[in-house]
Amino acid sequence: KQEVTQIPAALSVPEGENLVLNCSFTDSAIYNLQWFRQDPGKGLTSLLLIQSSQREQTSGRLNASLDKSSGRSTLYIAASQPGDSATYLCAVVNDYKLSFGAGTTVTVRA
Amino acid sequence: NAGVMQNPRHLVRRRGQEARLRCSPMKGHSHVYWYRQLPEEGLKFMVYLQKENIIDESGMPKERFSAEFPKEGPSILRIQQVVRGDSAAYFCASSPLGVGRNTGELFFGEGSRLTVL
Repeated sequence: KQEVTQIPAALSVPEGENLVLNCSFTDSAIYNLQWFRQDPGKGLTSLLLIQSSQREQTSGRLNASLDKSSGRSTLYIAASQPGDSATYLCAVVNDYKLSFGAGTTVTVRA
Repeated sequence: NAGVMQNPRHLVRRRGQEARLRCSPMKGHSHVYWYRQLPEEGLKFMVYLQKENIIDESGMPKERFSAEFPKEGPSILRIQQVVRGDSAAYFCASSPLGVGRNTGELFFGEGSRLTVL
């Protein structure tokens, strides 16, 4: 059974600081890994999708790396802004199921 | 708006009543997934459906819960005789790709928040 862990559970940083969010998973036989953002009371917004054959993906200030063999992914957010405050979820795909971590709640202080 | 549409966004039911949650997938997507998010917990897989077929319902409680995705119309998640423990956010996601080949993204709706009094 796939287990996904996200560390830390919560993070508070001053505006402008870089963010590093970690995700680990127990079963490396994944098709892909997806990072999502969830705002309070809202749905999930897809941020980045990394295929199992890829090592990283970039979109604007976001960069996600994937080390499938060690079961780890890291999401980097450069030059954080107050608008980045949200919960960030990591999810891995085995077959057709997404297994989610519990998320990292980020607060960026102005 | 071509996104995944869920309704109602908020639903309040008394214990013992029925809850029906609807999900219209993105245009061109024939694969629908339901996830549940309990307060302070992560999202948990419930069921995976294709048009007129339930592919995997292993995450769905055996009793009181059912799901369908008819040939025409939205996917429906039905909860009979609701209990307080059913209070949660229920998210629907859709994908254009099939079982074992899901190398694409899942797109999520805004969720339906069920409160059982």
